[in-house]
Amino acid sequence: SQQGEEDPQALSIQEGENATMNCSYKTSINNLQWYRQNSGRGLVHLILIRSNEREKHSGRLRVTLDTSKKSSSLLITASRAADTASYFCATGSTSTGNQFYFGTGTSLTVIP
Amino acid sequence: DAGVIQSPRHEVTEMGQEVTLRCKPISGHDYLFWYRQTMMRGLELLIYFNNNVPIDDSGMPEDRFSAKMPNASFSTLKIQPSEPRDSAVYFCASGRDRDYGYTFGSGTRLTVV
Repeated sequence: SQQGEEDPQALSIQEGENATMNCSYKTSINNLQWYRQNSGRGLVHLILIRSNEREKHSGRLRVTLDTSKKSSSLLITASRAADTASYFCATGSTSTGNQFYFGTGTSLTVIP
Repeated sequence: DAGVIQSPRHEVTEMGQEVTLRCKPISGHDYLFWYRQTMMRGLELLIYFNNNVPIDDSGMPEDRFSAKMPNASFSTLKIQPSEPRDSAVYFCASGRDRDYGYTFGSGTRLTVV
């Protein structure tokens, strides 16, 4: 399968704590994206990291990519109740053109 | 920019009826994607277009599904006849190319009874 797989499936933390989600994939990729989905809503693009990049930051988000292990992590620092959502990684490769394959997601609950 | 606009937001129909889902992508985006999301199967790519041309429809589950993009600002996904197992949330997304993220619509929640 070309899909990424997120780990853990569900995560519950207290507001202010950091949240770390992981994504593993099987094929070579050109880039990897992280998306957030609030309940009943569409997906929102958070960050894209290219295969030649190892780390990327955007506000409270930090994404790492280890192509040798075929894995990525998303760190949300100083979490807020509004961060409660499902988070998905999506992988893209030359072989799949402009298609991205999504994993099953991590459901994050931030308790106020 | 109003983002990707999908209609209707909710659709309830009886088995055997034809269902048409609509999508207006963001102006200037050359790629349009249709995804389906269910609890069991997660997000599945059904079909995607580049410059209004269908590029890969291998994700379309059956001949009952068809998609068109008559122009750069409009696409439809049609299910005929619909079945209960088609019940899902259908998302449309558009993008410029693979080095940028995609923008998703709010989805159409389809229920076939």
